[in-house]
Amino acid sequence: RKEVEQDPGPFNVPEGATVAFNCTYSNSASQSFFWYRQDCRKEPKLLMSVYSSGNEDGRFTAQLNRASQYISLLIRDSKLSDSATYLCVVNGGNTPLVFGKGTRLSVIA
Amino acid sequence: DGGITQSPKYLFRKEGQNVTLSCEQNLNHDAMYWYRQDPGQGLRLIYYSQIVNDFQKGDIAEGYSVSREKKESFPLTVTSAQKNPTAFYLCASNGQSLGNQPQHFGDGTRLSIL
Repeated sequence: RKEVEQDPGPFNVPEGATVAFNCTYSNSASQSFFWYRQDCRKEPKLLMSVYSSGNEDGRFTAQLNRASQYISLLIRDSKLSDSATYLCVVNGGNTPLVFGKGTRLSVIA
Repeated sequence: DGGITQSPKYLFRKEGQNVTLSCEQNLNHDAMYWYRQDPGQGLRLIYYSQIVNDFQKGDIAEGYSVSREKKESFPLTVTSAQKNPTAFYLCASNGQSLGNQPQHFGDGTRLSIL
């Protein structure tokens, strides 16, 4: 089983739609979880950390389910500028952060 | 402004040549990392360093070498032993490698073979 798994997409959604990404992780000892955004040919940038109680930042909501070992990212009212690849990132206990391969989102006018 | 600076932005390597990618940070971070990203693929860890004068191999260290003589600097050398070096190379840093802090990235170096 891969350490961090994501649906590669692409997810093609119209502007204004709500879209959700899921990510599963294999290391039950993981303590830190993040979502990054990567634009085409650019470096990844931190979108938000994921806390146990779930957290929200504007149109973005992140949730963690430790029992099932998955995290999710919900984007409401999608904008064209949300088009990017979204990377799920998990700390590996005794190893550095582990990055998923990413889910590509295209928001269409 | 604090950040991570990678140079050059684009680099071309001839057959049999070693090339060195620069990474400098002024964030006072202890831990630094090098990743490789191939088109349409995820990030793969090459090397990381938790502290000055110490570094560990990542998942794909063969054909690469690093040094960490200063806290701010973590250069990566792509040696001639790396037969397929064409990729996007990303340097990152955070406060501690095994802790709970997110990593911050430089804007990358694109390496191609001539």
